[in-house]
Parts: sequence; structure tokens; C-alpha cells
Amino acid sequence: KNEVEQSPQNLTAQEGEFITINCSYSVGISALHWLQQHPGGGIVSLFMLSSGKKKHGRLIATINIQEKHSSLHITASHPRDSAVYICAVRNNTDKLIFGTGTRLQVFP
Amino acid sequence: KAGVTQTPRYLIKTRGQQVTLSCSPISGHRSVSWYQQTPGQGLQFLFEYFSETQRNKGNFPGRFSGRQFSNSRSEMNVSTLELGDSALYLCASSLRRGGFVLGSPYEQYFGPGTRLTVT
Repeated sequence: KNEVEQSPQNLTAQEGEFITINCSYSVGISALHWLQQHPGGGIVSLFMLSSGKKKHGRLIATINIQEKHSSLHITASHPRDSAVYICAVRNNTDKLIFGTGTRLQVFP
Repeated sequence: KAGVTQTPRYLIKTRGQQVTLSCSPISGHRSVSWYQQTPGQGLQFLFEYFSETQRNKGNFPGRFSGRQFSNSRSEMNVSTLELGDSALYLCASSLRRGGFVLGSPYEQYFGPGTRLTVT
């Protein structure tokens, strides 16, 4: 079993829809990252969380430390949001462990 | 401010050869981390350098090594290449090591990656 699990693996949406991507982990962590990877490989770090909730534009990330679960929400989705979204946790020995990613396609 | 740069962007090597990849962090960033991304294994952490010292290492064989120079630029070397080493190699830089300081997290900024193909 992977230490970091993401769901769903693939997601399609119509422009304007509200999107949620989930991440569950089974190890102790000091931080959790959400990353966005566009076709071609470029990765952008979206959020780093250790507790609570963060918001940046149309993106919202939440984390529940007790439940070992984080969610990434995209409001009013747009075709340019199409990318792979990756959850990564930094464990208590300071190593980053990555989820397998969620491939999102938003259609106009 | 210029972003993280990686050279070369694409590389084709044959089995048994060695390869050196280079990463130049954002100016002022002292931490450089390296990652391998393959379709089968996803993203995996290779190692992290801070102030010219390796601070953290993932579960990769000794064929994978790296170093960091006094200007924070980093190189990664893979010796005796195997077909399974074909991957996208990404580096990321941050101000502080580990990309996290309790109460004051620092984001990691990723480079575009070097796509290595081993034939």
C-alpha cells in the first residue's frame, strides 16, 4: 500500500465546475505539498500546508492532521487548470513522499 | 528574478554510460533537491543539498550521486546507466533546507527538468 494515496486518478470536468482532489497519507508528517504539473513536465508548487486551510485565487487546500487527509479544491474550473495534481508529504525523517497524481482535464 | 534552470533539457545515452545533469537554483536559494519522475514510479526524492553538503537522501543506489558548489549550483551524476534510469529528472530550490521551517514554511521552486532516455 502506498504511503500517499490520491483520488481520483483521473478527473474530467466541464468549465465552471467545482473540483475536489483528495490525498490520504499513512505516515507522520511535518508538511504536505500540493504540486501542479503541466504537459511537458513543468512543476509548480501550489501550496505547502502543516495545518488548516490556505487559499490562492481559485485554489483552496485544506488539511486534517488527525484524519491524515488533505483536499485540493478548484472553484470555477477553467481549461487552463488541466494538469496533473500531485500531493506530497514530508515525513518525520524529512523525506518527501509523493502520491501518484490526479490527471485533471477541464473541457470548455 | 530568474527561475530554476536545468541543463541539458534532453539527453539520450546508452546503457553503461554515465551522465551529469546540472541545476542552477534561484539566486539566493541555498537548498537544492533532486527528484526522479517515471511513469511507473511517479515522483521520487533523490537527495537534497544545502550549503554544499548532502542533507538528505532517498532510496536510490549508489550509482546516483550529486554535489553542490559554493554558488549553490548542483550537479547530479548517474553512473553505469540502466534502461530503468530513463526518466524526467527535476531539481527544486528553496531558501531554507527541507523547504520547511516550523511556523515559517518555504516553498520549493521547480526547474523544467531534464528528460533522460537510456537506450
